[in-house]
Amino acid sequence: DIQMTQSTSSLSASVGDRVTITCRASQSISNYLNWYQQKPGKAPKLLIYAASSLQSGVPSRFSGSGSGTDFTLTISSLQPEDFATYYCQQSYSTPPTFGGGTKVEIK
Amino acid sequence: EVQLVESGGGLVQPGGSLRLSCAASGFTFSSHWMHWVRQAPGKGPVWVSRINSDGSSTIYADSVKGRFTISRDNAKNTLYLQMNSLRAEDTAVYYCARDPLNWGATLENWGQGTLVTVSS
Repeated sequence: DIQMTQSTSSLSASVGDRVTITCRASQSISNYLNWYQQKPGKAPKLLIYAASSLQSGVPSRFSGSGSGTDFTLTISSLQPEDFATYYCQQSYSTPPTFGGGTKVEIK
Repeated sequence: EVQLVESGGGLVQPGGSLRLSCAASGFTFSSHWMHWVRQAPGKGPVWVSRINSDGSSTIYADSVKGRFTISRDNAKNTLYLQMNSLRAEDTAVYYCARDPLNWGATLENWGQGTLVTVSS
């Protein structure tokens, strides 16, 4: 199975900050990488697919980059509604696997 | 609007069985792969199973292989997960999810989840 590692389990940031979340795959996955946002008690929500494609309806302050093994989710200007946990997930091979998550908390 | 509504969760003893359902609406159900994903309390999501659009192909995580069965009824727009020989480690919220690409696992739409608790 491909292991997905989010090395930062939590971070504190302020409204307006630029936030970067990283994800590393245990082997090359090309650009088959998705990002999800999850708020407490809710289902995950797809933000970015294919590493850098913005899902319809998602604000443009979210962006994704990377290919191969290293990927980044960037929030250009953190908003109050962005405080949540973010997960990466590879769709390159079965089983699809998720990272451990990065919780973005209010500083 | 795409809607996925899970049901069938609850408290079950170890070794017991449950069948989860996922009622789909707002899209052509029979055209899409569907997945089950679970999330244990305080943990990240874990993929469980996938079924292709006509139900002819299924695949499972090793942790549930031989115990869980995914199926679908395209006439009823409903996805199922039959769970047998349940263990404490199966305790989780179970989500169904739609895959718009019918390849890999890009999970565009999720239900609200149904909680399965395995305990004596």
